[in-house]
Amino acid sequence: GEDVEQSLFLSVREGDSSVINCTYTDSSSTYLYWYKQEPGAGLQLLTYIFSNMDMKQDQRLTVLLNKKDKHLSLRIADTQTGDSAIYFCAARGTGGFKTIFGAGTRLFVKA
Amino acid sequence: EPEVTQTPSHQVTQMGQEVILRCVPISNHLYFYWYRQILGQKVEFLVSFYNNEISEKSEIFDDQFSVERPDGSNFTLKIRSTKLEDSAMYFCASDPGTRSEKLFFGSGTQLSVL
Repeated sequence: GEDVEQSLFLSVREGDSSVINCTYTDSSSTYLYWYKQEPGAGLQLLTYIFSNMDMKQDQRLTVLLNKKDKHLSLRIADTQTGDSAIYFCAARGTGGFKTIFGAGTRLFVKA
Repeated sequence: EPEVTQTPSHQVTQMGQEVILRCVPISNHLYFYWYRQILGQKVEFLVSFYNNEISEKSEIFDDQFSVERPDGSNFTLKIRSTKLEDSAMYFCASDPGTRSEKLFFGSGTQLSVL
């Protein structure tokens, strides 16, 4: 079945770049997402990319998509302590109702 | 900015009891969803709801679960006879339509079954 995998932890120093990686199995995935979850909060949509794109940049966030390898990454430039959170990769197909999530990557930012 | 709201934020119940989790989706949205996240595990799709009926459901969504949109604004998830393994964070979500790429989530209800 469809699956999304991502590493569970990442630790970086403040000011460094963070790169969170994700792989997915469903080649028909049309939308690929990154959500952020802070303690006690819901899932906040950070950014997303269509499957016909290779890259999307939005301020400090860069999303790279390798559709051949079904690999998605999120790069956060100049990582701040406020970026500490859990980051979820997710995939959704066209016309499908469900979004498949990974287990989330917990990002620790050290001052 | 409009948001999806969920109540309560925490719910504690005894095993075997019925619980109803409540959600108010964003007002002009057409598709509604429930997801859950067991502690330390993935966010899992439970059910999607459109035009007053279930459009898709997962294997998790068995006969113990039901959803309803009783009054045009609320969207509820009922668990008839809770089990210990139903303990999880339950997220409600909504989106404007099938061609929308954006899914908006509530902040979740933490359900603890004792």
